[in-house]
Amino acid sequence: DVKVTQSSRYLVKRTGEKVFLECVQDMDHENMFWYRQDPGLGLRLIYFSYDVKMKEKGDIPEGYSVSREKKERFSLILESASTNQTSMYLCASSSSGTGAGYGYTFGSGTRLTVV
Amino acid sequence: GESVGLHLPTLSVQEGDNSIINCAYSNSASDYFIWYKQESGKGPQFIIDIRSNMDKRQGQRVTVLLNKTVKHLSLQIAATQPGDSAVYFCAETRSVSGGYQKVTFGTGTKLQVIP
Repeated sequence: DVKVTQSSRYLVKRTGEKVFLECVQDMDHENMFWYRQDPGLGLRLIYFSYDVKMKEKGDIPEGYSVSREKKERFSLILESASTNQTSMYLCASSSSGTGAGYGYTFGSGTRLTVV
Repeated sequence: GESVGLHLPTLSVQEGDNSIINCAYSNSASDYFIWYKQESGKGPQFIIDIRSNMDKRQGQRVTVLLNKTVKHLSLQIAATQPGDSAVYFCAETRSVSGGYQKVTFGTGTKLQVIP
């Protein structure tokens, strides 16, 4: 069964900490995405990557950065965590052969709380 | 501005009845519309999609209807089962500059199935 694995289900960090959220997919997908999910706001795109070492800003990139050194791994970095970054973070991947939104495989999410 | 939204945040349905989940969108340039299901503790899963040049598409127990005149999308679930209890998201995709496709998610409707 194909998978997108997020390293942590729950995470509690302090304000100002540098936080790494890891995502690994085993489907050889070219495209990877990071979303955050907040009540009443739906899923909002933070960053995405269509190739190794490539990254593009999504709708809400401020306060975040990403790294994609290998095809299967896409990391989301909170340089200095703040309480307004408390959220559910979802990673997704897809093949370039499919249209956007299709064949999106999501991870189970990381619920991050910044205190 | 653009938006993809849902009319009802929570929908309670008796087991065996049909469910209808609605979604409004505002962008006429959308290429595809997609419905996702998100069960508790899991990432969203693709259910069914529809192209913008179609009015109706059927899957197993699910039907998606698209009314472009009023920019309305609906998901119908026949003979609703307890396993259908989840949050349902609509999403629309459209081509943007740079050759990418942008996916915009709705805020979600929670479907509660009453045994």
